[in-house]
Amino acid sequence: QKEVEQNSGPLSVPEGAIASLNCTYSDRGSQSFFWYRQYSGKSPELIMSIYSNGDKEDGRFTAQLNKASQYVSLLIRDSQPSDSATYLCAVATGGSYIPTFGRGTSLIVHP
Amino acid sequence: KAGVTQTPRYLIKTRGQQVTLSCSPISGHRSVSWYQQTPGQGLQFLFEYFSETQRNKGNFPGRFSGRQFSNSRSEMNVSTLELGDSALYLCASSSTYSGSDYEQYFGPGTRLTVT
Repeated sequence: QKEVEQNSGPLSVPEGAIASLNCTYSDRGSQSFFWYRQYSGKSPELIMSIYSNGDKEDGRFTAQLNKASQYVSLLIRDSQPSDSATYLCAVATGGSYIPTFGRGTSLIVHP
Repeated sequence: KAGVTQTPRYLIKTRGQQVTLSCSPISGHRSVSWYQQTPGQGLQFLFEYFSETQRNKGNFPGRFSGRQFSNSRSEMNVSTLELGDSALYLCASSSTYSGSDYEQYFGPGTRLTVT
């Protein structure tokens, strides 16, 4: 059973701070990792994908992957109230390209 | 480029009825997947279609079925609705055939309420 674990939160950070969201996965064969943002009442929106160990930066977002430790994280720099949402981690193994989703972490950025 | 579209956006059905949901993928995307999202279970995979063929299937009963047309549009059908089928049904499309860069883009979803 492939499992993707996230702390449900809520994670509360002040505006302007760095928000750190973490995700662990059980399948060592996992090769593709995705972060989605989901606002309340809306559908998930792909914000980052990462496939190799290390960091990948896109604007205020940085995805970090450590396959040896089986975790992937998302850092949001200069957090804004508009970043308040649920962040879903999704992981796909080489055996199946269909990702398994975590339950999501709720992020609250307060002014 | 237009995003994934789903119709209808909201549905209210009675237990025992059946329902059909529709999804039009992003232009050029040939892979379409369906997910069910509930507060209790999160986002769960139903099935995936590519070139009118079901390639992958999740762990849902046979009451859940789908199909894909030659223009890549897809429908999913739920027969004999149960109260537990109340959920947000999401369609996602991908331009990638398969492999490690299989990125999915979601539609707005159909909110199904079964009474």
